Order: sequence, then C-alpha cells, then structure tokens
Amino acid sequence: DAGITQSPRHKVTETGTPVTLRCHQTENHRYMYWYRQDPGHGLRLIHYSYGVKDTDKGEVSDGYSVSRSKTEDFLLTLESATSSQTSVYFCALAVQSTDTQYFGPGTRLTVL
Amino acid sequence: GQQLNQSPQSMFIQEGEDVSMNCTSSSIFNTWLWYKQDPGEGPVLLIALYKAGELTSNGRLTAQFGITRKDSFLNISASIPSDVGIYFCAGPRGNQFYFGTGTSLTVIP
Repeated sequence: DAGITQSPRHKVTETGTPVTLRCHQTENHRYMYWYRQDPGHGLRLIHYSYGVKDTDKGEVSDGYSVSRSKTEDFLLTLESATSSQTSVYFCALAVQSTDTQYFGPGTRLTVL
Repeated sequence: GQQLNQSPQSMFIQEGEDVSMNCTSSSIFNTWLWYKQDPGEGPVLLIALYKAGELTSNGRLTAQFGITRKDSFLNISASIPSDVGIYFCAGPRGNQFYFGTGTSLTVIP
C-alpha cells in the first residue's frame, strides 16, 4: 500500500490518563487523517493535516488533539481519556495525484 | 458529516453467487472509491473511478461510476469465502473523504 504504520496496535488504559497514538508514513504525502470507527457509526473524521503544523478539525474532534511536526508523523492525543473514546482508530493518507486514500492497520483502544 | 447511502446493509449469499451493492449521494462526486475491510484490519482500496459511466474491473470485482455522478455500483462475480468482509464506498470532496455506511458480506460455503 502506501507505507502507513500505526503504533501501538492495541492499548488498554484507564479513564483520565493521557494517550498518544502515532501514525507514520514512509512516503512524502501531504494529507494525513485520523478516523475513529465504531459499530453503527462507520468511519468518522477526528482531525486531518494538510502539511507540517497545519491541521484542521473533523466532525468528532472534541477531546482530541493532533500534532504534525514532520511530514512522516501524525500524532493523535487524548488529553484525558474517557470510556466514550474506546474505539478503533485509523490513520490514513491521501494521494493527491489519484484522489485516493490509503489506511493504516488501526489501533484498538480500550478505556476502562 | 456527509454520509453516502449504501445498500444493502448486509448480504448473506452462497459461495459461487454474484453480488451487487450500490452507493448513492445527494450531491455529485468526481471520483468514486470502493474499499474492503477484513475483520481487525484497515480498509483496503479495491477500485477507483474517475469518469461518469466508467466501468472498471479488478479481478472478479467490477465497479461503475453512475452517469448522474451521484451513485456508484460494485459487483462481485462468483463469490468465494475470502470475499467476506465489509465493503465501503467513498468519495473525495475538497480536503476530505466521505464514506458509505458499509455493506457486510457473508459467504456461505
């Protein structure tokens, strides 16, 4: 695919703790995205980035922040995790030349 | 956010049967994408469509870009057990991508 990795792949944490998920790409794509996927809701956009230090909110951004200090890494942070943030999180990147999007393998996060 | 309407929501078919699913939108898209998601994994791009009326194949999969540009169709011929999964349509607009609600496919051997 487009060389996207996510870490960790699985995480269990407690309510109130901070959590950071990492997305890494091996190619030089400008646009990167964070989604969450929940039963009955499909894929929902949390935040996206259109360049280093350039980010924007998606439809479910409350409780999440992102950072992109270099092209290849896009970090998603839950400042104080809540049980409602238990979900599967997917990172994706867009290939502008083909108008396509490629996804990472996902991170399964459980907040107890 | 904008959702694409995908149908059917789920399908249970016998191995060897053909499958059809579709995706509709209230507004036009200039590109239609089809993805498959296996359990526990991320969606994988199957087919990209760029032109109204376009018909594109990828093995046993064939997708069509509707002539109104508000819909797209995916067909799977001679289904096999590994076709099991959730199929999503998607369309890019601006900086974002909009996704269908998914069709869950079960193939009975």
